[in-house]
Amino acid sequence: ILNVEQSPQSLHVQEGDSTNFTCSFPSSNFYALHWYRWETAKSPEALFVMTLNGDEKKKGRISATLNTKEGYSYLYIKGSQPEDSATYLCAFEGNKLVFGAGTILRVKS
Amino acid sequence: DTGVSQNPRHKITKRGQNVTFRCDPISEHNRLYWYRQTLGQGPEFLTYFQNEAQLEKSRLLSDRFSAERPKGSFSTLEIQRTEQGDSAMYLCASSLNKGSSPLHFGNGTRLTVT
Repeated sequence: ILNVEQSPQSLHVQEGDSTNFTCSFPSSNFYALHWYRWETAKSPEALFVMTLNGDEKKKGRISATLNTKEGYSYLYIKGSQPEDSATYLCAFEGNKLVFGAGTILRVKS
Repeated sequence: DTGVSQNPRHKITKRGQNVTFRCDPISEHNRLYWYRQTLGQGPEFLTYFQNEAQLEKSRLLSDRFSAERPKGSFSTLEIQRTEQGDSAMYLCASSLNKGSSPLHFGNGTRLTVT
């Protein structure tokens, strides 16, 4: 059974704080690592898809890094805003796409 | 691009009944995935199609679950003899048939089995 672990399970931060989450995945049979944002009452939306060890991607205040040798990825949010409140999902792509349980982020204004 | 469409949005059924959900992917997407999501969990993989071929099916799925994708376009997910444990959000997603393409999700079908 493929284990994709995300930590922390939930996070409450103040507006303006920077934060980061971790996604751990198997280091074998790796093809890609996906990050999605899932807001309440909406469908998950893709943030990044990363394939290369050492890859770093950025979209506005959100960035992600990838270490395929040790099997982890970090997602960073700089200067969190209330609209960043969502569940952040990572997914390991090998033979199929397997999701972690997500990190719930709540940003208080 | 009309996005991924799922129907119905909500379904309430009595235990023991059969239900069928439909997913219409983005038209040029070859890959189609079904996931199930319960409270506090991330999406759980159910099955995956590339065109009309079902390439992978979760071992967690019992024989009561079946999915089809005739002609490689829309897909249906059927649950026979529903049980209360089947209550969940059923998500469909599609992607292009090239490596590391992001998934585009539908809004899901929420199933409640009473």
